[in-house]
Amino acid sequence: GAGVSQSPRYKVAKRGQDVALRCDPISGHVSLFWYQQALGQGPEFLTYFQNEAQLDKSGLPSDRFFAERPEGSVSTLKIQRTQQEDSAVYLCASSQTTGWGTEAFFGQGTRLTVV
Amino acid sequence: QKEVEQDPGPLSVPEGAIVSLNCTYSNSAFQYFMWYRQYSRKGPELLMYTYSSGNKEDGRFTAQVDKSSKYISLFIRDSQPSDSATYLCAMSEPNDYKLSFGAGTTVTVRA
Repeated sequence: GAGVSQSPRYKVAKRGQDVALRCDPISGHVSLFWYQQALGQGPEFLTYFQNEAQLDKSGLPSDRFFAERPEGSVSTLKIQRTQQEDSAVYLCASSQTTGWGTEAFFGQGTRLTVV
Repeated sequence: QKEVEQDPGPLSVPEGAIVSLNCTYSNSAFQYFMWYRQYSRKGPELLMYTYSSGNKEDGRFTAQVDKSSKYISLFIRDSQPSDSATYLCAMSEPNDYKLSFGAGTTVTVRA
């Protein structure tokens, strides 16, 4: 595709539900990042993949958050037993290089609302 | 205290005015400095990218980095209504893939 694609665009979950957020990076991009953007705040780093390897998950807020990229392309961010404080926009970005660089592009994000 | 501080505004200016945005930071190891523009309900898009200190100009946009003061700026000349967006500063250490973002400044350019 032309850019980073995320689905769904909007998700409403009842507290305690599990959710799965999908990211389709730009084809051939090696690096994939997940960020969390709370209302009125800048994005906060969650996790980083280089191909299928999750090299850094230090930003995941709790063990309820889990991310995978099994074949080195599509990635899924899963949140178990959602809480109200999980409400945020979840942004995915991909880069053709290892690391960030100027070639990294963000998707439009998934807006998660936990009620 | 956050690593990167940015006044959230909002900032409202008439069309044609100069928009001045800035961020301060505390981590002296930051070497890469970026400005992103984020339209409502969209992902951030890279506007300007600067390594270390100095100025960089691209069309109507000028980015400045003053590492001695730990202060970065973005200037938008001849602002247009299409420049209305949230502007995020971001920075990283060398060889680091994690960006540290400011909270963003919301700018409205009035026609």
